[in-house]
Amino acid sequence: EIVMTQSPATLSVSPGERATLSCRASQSVSSNLAWYQQKPGQTPRLLIYGASTRATGIPARFSGSGSGTDFTLTISSLQSEDFAVYYCQQYNNWPPLTFGGGTKVEIK
Amino acid sequence: QVQVVESGGGVVQPGGSLRLSCAASGFIFSSYGMHWVRQAPGKGLEWVAFIRYDGSNKYYADSVRGRFTISRDNSKNTLYLQMNTLGAEDSSVYYCAKDPGGNNPNWFDPWGQGTLVTVSS
Repeated sequence: EIVMTQSPATLSVSPGERATLSCRASQSVSSNLAWYQQKPGQTPRLLIYGASTRATGIPARFSGSGSGTDFTLTISSLQSEDFAVYYCQQYNNWPPLTFGGGTKVEIK
Repeated sequence: QVQVVESGGGVVQPGGSLRLSCAASGFIFSSYGMHWVRQAPGKGLEWVAFIRYDGSNKYYADSVRGRFTISRDNSKNTLYLQMNTLGAEDSSVYYCAKDPGGNNPNWFDPWGQGTLVTVSS
C-alpha cells in the first residue's frame, strides 16, 4: 500500500498570501495524483488531477506540481473561500487508492 | 449536470447490515466506474470500493473486504453498497463518487453529499 503523507498538518496564512502544501508518496506514483478541497460541512471537491491539471471550473490561483514521490499544491493568493482542508490522493498503485491525512489551511 | 445522490444511511446495531444506494444522473452511468469513499467524524478520507463500468471487476479496501459488496444496476443508473457485519469502526459519512474512466480507478469527481452511517447499540 502506498502511504501518502501531507505537510504541514495545519497552515496559517493571511488572505492574499501564497499557500504551499506538500504531499509525499512512500513510493513513486508517477503523475497519478489528485488534490481535493473540503470546506467544513461540505463534500470534497476535485481541484487537480494528473498532478497539475486543474479540474473544470477551478480558479487559476490553484496550481499543482511534482511527479514521482513529491508533490505541491500552491494557492497563489488566498481568498476567504479557500480556507479549508486539502487532501491529496494517489491512483497509480491500487487497490487501495490512498489519501493523505490532509492539510488544514486556516486564517492567520 | 452530473450528479450523484446517496441514500440509505442510518443507525444500525453492531453486527448488523445496511444497504446504501447512489442515484446517478446527468451522464451515461453505464460507461463509468464508480466508487464509495468514507469519512469518519472529524477524520480524513478513506477509499472503500470501486466497480468497473459494467460491474465485471470490483476492488475493495482491506478494512471492508469480505464484509462489504459494491454493485450496480445500469438499467436503474444506481450504485449500491451492501454492508454486513458492521462495527463501530464503520461509522462514517459514505460518499458515492464518479470515476472519469470506465475500467481502472482514477480520481473522484463529482462526489455526492454523503449519507451518514452510525453503528451503535
